[in-house]
Amino acid sequence: DAGVTQSPTHLIKTRGQQVTLRCSPKSGHDTVSWYQQALGQGPQFIFQYYEEEERQRGNFPDRFSGHQFPNYSSELNVNALLLGDSALYLCASSFGDLAYEQYFGPGTRLTVT
Amino acid sequence: SQQGEEDPQALSIQEGENATMNCSYKTSINNLQWYRQNSGRGLVHLILIRSNEREKHSGRLRVTLDTSKKSSSLLITASRAADTASYFCATAPNTNNDMRFGAGTRLTVKP
Repeated sequence: DAGVTQSPTHLIKTRGQQVTLRCSPKSGHDTVSWYQQALGQGPQFIFQYYEEEERQRGNFPDRFSGHQFPNYSSELNVNALLLGDSALYLCASSFGDLAYEQYFGPGTRLTVT
Repeated sequence: SQQGEEDPQALSIQEGENATMNCSYKTSINNLQWYRQNSGRGLVHLILIRSNEREKHSGRLRVTLDTSKKSSSLLITASRAADTASYFCATAPNTNNDMRFGAGTRLTVKP
């Protein structure tokens, strides 16, 4: 049973560029949430996708957008990258709209230079 | 914005000792979860406690929840060097599971 997978593992981008991160949820899960974790901080909730729609959104600008596909996998897109976007981006999956535990992927380390 | 706040920020103990970490939060919750993170990698779910529960056990872990004080504690008994990690509490203000994390407690267990 595969857990949550994310790609790529590491990524280096330049200010102003755009980036797409990918996530495949744990088998049987249909909800995907994205988090940003700056160094030394806890994860910050970006948004959550359920039934291919954004269901909840944290306090992040519109430069952060996402998508969920029919197979429940998801993408996180960040436009016009800033140095402050450098962080570990974590994807978590869960089941349905109930408050079950979330399973996290290993994360994508994004560095913006 | 972060919802939970862990205390202490860092904790160093000897192998075999117990480790207690505390978490305070600000708004009402549906549930509270504890996670472990090793060296900036993905988070590992440890335990979930619902707002109508007061205590929960899982192996060497014991979690308590006091909704009147908006606080929770995580106790790790008989700690091991492998328990060295950052521990985060996360609260879900509603059933949609958009978790709000604190800044974490960095636990070091010395062999």
